This record gives sequence, C-alpha cells and structure tokens, in this order.
Amino acid sequence: AQTVTQSQPEMSVQEAETVTLSCTYDTSESDYYLFWYKQPPSRQMILVIRQEAYKQQNATENRFSVNFQKAAKSFSLKISDSQLGDAAMYFCAYRTDDVTGNQFYFGTGTSLTVIP
Amino acid sequence: DTGVSQDPRHKITKRGQNVTFRCDPISEHNRLYWYRQTLGQGPEFLTYFQNEAQLEKSRLLSDRFSAERPKGSFSTLEIQRTEQGDSAMYLCASSLGPGNTEAFFGQGTRLTVV
Repeated sequence: AQTVTQSQPEMSVQEAETVTLSCTYDTSESDYYLFWYKQPPSRQMILVIRQEAYKQQNATENRFSVNFQKAAKSFSLKISDSQLGDAAMYFCAYRTDDVTGNQFYFGTGTSLTVIP
Repeated sequence: DTGVSQDPRHKITKRGQNVTFRCDPISEHNRLYWYRQTLGQGPEFLTYFQNEAQLEKSRLLSDRFSAERPKGSFSTLEIQRTEQGDSAMYLCASSLGPGNTEAFFGQGTRLTVV
C-alpha cells in the first residue's frame, strides 16, 4: 500500500526567508504523481504544485519549487520569500497512475507558521 | 463555476442519529471523492466515484456509511447510527481526470457527535 510520510508536524519561517518541507513516500509503482496541497485555517485545500514521476525536471510555480528524488522516494517543497499568507497546513499527496485506483494518499501534514 | 460545494458546513448530532451530507462537484468533473479528516491528521480516503459508479471503498467505510452519486452529478454521504468516533471533517473533492489532474476540494462538513 502506498504511504506518505511528513516528518515535520510544525515548521516556522521568518517572513521573506526560505523554508523546506519534507515528504517521503512508499510505492512499488514506477509511474505516479505527487502533489503539495495547502490548507489555510478554516478554508479549503488548494493545490500548490504537482510533479509527474516520469519527469526528471523539478516543478516550479513562482515562489514554490520541489526537490523530487525518485530513487530516494523524496518530494520536498521549498517556499522562497515566505509571505504571511503562506501560513497554513501543507499536505503532501501521492496519486497512482492506475485509472482504477485513483485516490489521493495524503501525509499527516506540516503546520507552517510565518513570523513577521 | 463556484467550485466544489458541501452542505451543511457544520452538523451537530446526537449519538445514534443518522446524518446525510451533500457534495456538489464542479459540473464537468466526472470523478468525485470523499475523505475524512480528524484534527492533526491528513485526509483519509473513504470512497471514490467515476460518474455514477462507486469504484473504490476504503476499509474505513463501515456498513454504517453509504455513499451515492445518482446520475453522476451531486453525491451524498450518509452515516447511520452515528458514534462519537465519527466526529470529523468530511471533505469532498472532484477532478476532471486521472493522473496529474488536480483534485478540487470543498470546504468540508464538520460533524460533531455528542
């Protein structure tokens, strides 16, 4: 079974600084997809960034980038120039390429605090 | 398009009562998911529909839980004979396709069983 592990329950970062959130996963599949979702307090989850396992290039979305290490099954999220609005729970998620087993598997989340 | 909507946002019920939640996905999305989230945890998968067909159910979905998606549009999640352990946030999500297609989440229904 696929599992997603986020070993940092809480992280903090100074405004304008850079922070990296860790995620590891376990799978026997070669094709899959990885996501980082953000859940602000009392608000719905929204997608931050996604990565296809077959792509060697790390995904980037503005201030957000990932370090995808397929052999190590590691998928970390780097937030540059942190802003107060980045404060939220961040969830790493895995999705199989199997069209029938289509669910997302989530980690337990990392609570990010941004210090002014 | 207003996104995924869930109703109600909050529900307080007495133990033993039945409750039903509704999810309206984004209109063109054929995939719909139900997740449960407890405090300090990530969302846990409950069940998944492709159009009106329920294709996958988690072991978490006991026989007190039932979900439907008639005509492949909105979905309902019913919990019968609620227990205190059912207290959680119930999240609905929808997506247009498999693979790298993102899931769009609703704001959830927070259930409190007293």
